[in-house]
Amino acid sequence: SQTIHQWPATLVQPVGSPLSLECTVEGTSNPNLYWYRQAAGRGLQLLFYSVGIGQISSEVPQNLSASRPQDRQFILSSKKLLLSDSGFYLCAWSAQGNSPLHFGNGTRLTVT
Amino acid sequence: TQLLEQSPQFLSIQEGENLTVYCNSSSVFSSLQWYRQEPGEGPVLLVTVVTGGEVKKLKRLTFQFGDARKDSSLHITAAQPGDTGLYLCAGAGGNTGKLIFGQGTTLQVKP
Repeated sequence: SQTIHQWPATLVQPVGSPLSLECTVEGTSNPNLYWYRQAAGRGLQLLFYSVGIGQISSEVPQNLSASRPQDRQFILSSKKLLLSDSGFYLCAWSAQGNSPLHFGNGTRLTVT
Repeated sequence: TQLLEQSPQFLSIQEGENLTVYCNSSSVFSSLQWYRQEPGEGPVLLVTVVTGGEVKKLKRLTFQFGDARKDSSLHITAAQPGDTGLYLCAGAGGNTGKLIFGQGTTLQVKP
C-alpha cells in the first residue's frame, strides 16, 4: 500500500534562518506531488506541485522554493524565513490526472 | 480564477441534529471531492462525485453534486461527536490534478 511521510511534525525557527521540510512517498511510481499551506482551521493554499522529477510549478510568489530530486521525494525550502512563513504545511501525492489527494500529517512551522 | 465558496464557516450543534454544508462556485468542475480533517493531521478523502446530479451516501453522510457540476452539498443526519472536524470541499478542473479548495467548515458536535 502507499504511504506518505512528512517531517518534522513541528518546527520552531528564528527569522532569517533556512528551512528544509521533506516529504517522501512509498508504494507508488511517478506520483504528482504537492505542497500546501493551511491557515488555522481554514482551507488549503497550493504552493507548489510537481508532475515529475525536476518539474516544479509555483502557484504563488513567495519566500519559499521546492525541489524534487527523486521520483518520490519532495522538499520545501527557504534560504531566509520570514515571520509570515509560519503555518501548517501539508505535503500530498496523487496518481496522474484528477485522482484524490493523499496527505501527510503536516508540519507546524513557527517562525519567531 | 476558479473559486469555491463554502458555507457555513463554523457550525456548532447538539448530538442528534442534522446539518448541511454547501460548496458553491460559478465554475464547472470535472469532479468534486470532500475531505475531513482532524486537528494536527492531514485531510482524509471522504468521497469523490463526478457526474452532475450524483448522490453518494457514506453511512449518515449524503453527498450531492449539482446538475451543472458547479456546486455540491454534504448532509449529515443525526450528527455524532465523532463527526467533529474540519470539512473541506475541493474541485478538480484540468488534467494536472490541481484542486481548488473551499475555505472549510469547522463542525463541532456537542454530546
